Amino acid sequence: GAVVSQHPSWVICKSGTSVKIECRSLDFQATTMFWYRQFPKQSLMLMATSNEGSKATYEQGVEKDKFLINHASLTLSTLTVTSAHPEDSSFYICSAPLTGAASGANVLTFGAGSRLTVL
Amino acid sequence: AQSVAQPEDQVNVAEGNPLTVKCTYSVSGNPYLFWYVQYPNRGLQFLLKYITGDNLVKGSYGFEAEFNKSQTSFHLKKPSALVSDSALYFCAVSDRGRGSTLGRLYFGRGTQLTVWP
Repeated sequence: GAVVSQHPSWVICKSGTSVKIECRSLDFQATTMFWYRQFPKQSLMLMATSNEGSKATYEQGVEKDKFLINHASLTLSTLTVTSAHPEDSSFYICSAPLTGAASGANVLTFGAGSRLTVL
Repeated sequence: AQSVAQPEDQVNVAEGNPLTVKCTYSVSGNPYLFWYVQYPNRGLQFLLKYITGDNLVKGSYGFEAEFNKSQTSFHLKKPSALVSDSALYFCAVSDRGRGSTLGRLYFGRGTQLTVWP
């Protein structure tokens, strides 16, 4: 079946540095990917929709300059947390529609997530 | 705006007993509703979805959910719980908009299900 791979699964960085998280669709192409953030014991918060070949669509309240999203190919989307601070520490999860393209009824397949700890 | 609510943070049941994980929704128009499950250190997995048609939807691992339009609910159920069902369960609603909003899933806060032997 469709698999989404995230890397790294764990990352620890110093405050002020930038961290890049990769999300790859392994056996299918995805024109759209979604990035979520999950806080402990809380829901998944949709951060942005990543669109291949165009700018990402950010949810209200998400800083575009803080969370840079690039969807340079049909199998790769990246999230870069710039100038990270301890409050950015979280679990980041990407997902893609099983068919590769967004639709209201589409099932999403999720990556296993990336845990970011900013010291 | 689309939203879902899961009123229970925790549900505890004994193995072999029926389980219910509650979800209510608020959407404009007809909803697309989903249930996902998250096991520790693993990605979310799709369980089932309601798009249209029969109100009772059957999904993976013996789970089912009933769409109730009058009560705006989509509760997840299983007739006989297993210890291995212990996980974090999320209800979600899909954005049926157009363009850049299409296909976005909005999740409830999650319900931790614990099935004890």
